[in-house]
Amino acid sequence: DTAVSQTPKYLVTQMGNDKSIKCEQNLGHDTMYWYKQDSKKFLKIMFSYNNKELIINETVPNRFSPKSPDKAHLNLHINSLELGDSAVYFCASSQDPGEDQPQHFGDGTRLSIL
Amino acid sequence: GQNIDQPTEMTATEGAIVQINCTYQTSGFNGLFWYQQHAGEAPTFLSYNVLDGLEEKGRFSSFLSRSKGYSYLLLKELQMKDSASYLCAVPPGTASKLTFGTGTRLQVTL
Repeated sequence: DTAVSQTPKYLVTQMGNDKSIKCEQNLGHDTMYWYKQDSKKFLKIMFSYNNKELIINETVPNRFSPKSPDKAHLNLHINSLELGDSAVYFCASSQDPGEDQPQHFGDGTRLSIL
Repeated sequence: GQNIDQPTEMTATEGAIVQINCTYQTSGFNGLFWYQQHAGEAPTFLSYNVLDGLEEKGRFSSFLSRSKGYSYLLLKELQMKDSASYLCAVPPGTASKLTFGTGTRLQVTL
């Protein structure tokens, strides 16, 4: 059983397009996250939601808009894609936003901008 | 803010022991995580330390010294499958906003 699943696994698209990445967790967790991992493998937090409410929004361009229809889902929509958006995007979840909570990651979405 | 330092790469031999160090500077300390990430895969949780000392979990152990801002991950009886990146991460004082180090890429050789 997949705990945190995100789709698609690969996404290749042209600059300027709009795309979405979906994430679902079946762990019953309250908190979900989006991370970006660049070509140097640096993993950086983008957003965090707790019970559908946004609790962390790092300095991410407003072309990126997360949406949480319920606490088991956190989708990421990206408008006007740019070359610098090429990266691996990981979704993650944790029981709650507590500092001691381990996070469970999805397999990542590899986004390539042509 | 947070600052986390780890060596970029390490190489060790199958069957050996390797220690991966992490030093950190944070405005507030709420524990330290270690994650493992195989190439092309998701990070997976290894350990969490909030008190000083060594915590052992099978072949993997993690050590923390809060006064020195220092942690290490100790891997014993290395296996080829241990070749991966090992990420040190610290959460700040408030809502969960885990800050990761750049990771140490470990290559296990025969």
